[in-house]
Amino acid sequence: GAVVSQHPSRVICKSGTSVKIECRSLDFQATTMFWYRQFPKQSLMLMATSNEGSKATYEQGVEKDKFLINHASLTLSTLTVTSAHPEDSSFYICSAGGTSSYNEQFFGPGTRLTVL
Amino acid sequence: GQNIDQPTEMTATEGAIVQINCTYQTSGFNGLFWYQQHAGEAPTFLSYNVLDGLEEKGRFSSFLSRSKGYSYLLLKELQMKDSASYLCAVVDSNYQLIWGAGTKLIIKP
Repeated sequence: GAVVSQHPSRVICKSGTSVKIECRSLDFQATTMFWYRQFPKQSLMLMATSNEGSKATYEQGVEKDKFLINHASLTLSTLTVTSAHPEDSSFYICSAGGTSSYNEQFFGPGTRLTVL
Repeated sequence: GQNIDQPTEMTATEGAIVQINCTYQTSGFNGLFWYQQHAGEAPTFLSYNVLDGLEEKGRFSSFLSRSKGYSYLLLKELQMKDSASYLCAVVDSNYQLIWGAGTKLIIKP
């Protein structure tokens, strides 16, 4: 199957700082990437859909000014958590699914964010 | 609203068979996924059903009944490494993935 990487795998930061997470599709071009957040013992929560060359589509309740998404190329999407707070501590996972969301999604390994 | 129901937790014995059920009520249906997720890791794809019936893939099988809004994942010859959460996800009429909360499967020797 296709490979999606994420970097960093784990990050600890101070409250108020910004953190950037990269998601790369290594062996295919992804016009659409998805960003999820998962709190302990809960299911995946879709945060936003990232479309190459256009603005991301955010789910209800997700602050677009706090979670900045950039999908500048067909192989890279970035999520920046701005002015992070302890409640932003979570497991952030990206996935890429080719041209339409109903195709199989290939998940990155996830990024564990801890905000002190 | 849209809803996907799975049992929160199940326990089974190594070498046995376990069936994890998933029922859904969604606005439209364009397929159902099962994913496996080990603790602290991202989900990995197990199966995709869009037509009624049973899809078998090695020790894992997935069944779908669209008229009943029901699917199950069947795991045979359970191994300790099968201890994980199993996520059911449905593609709705807008081609959005609706995720269940997952079923934590505990395998005992």
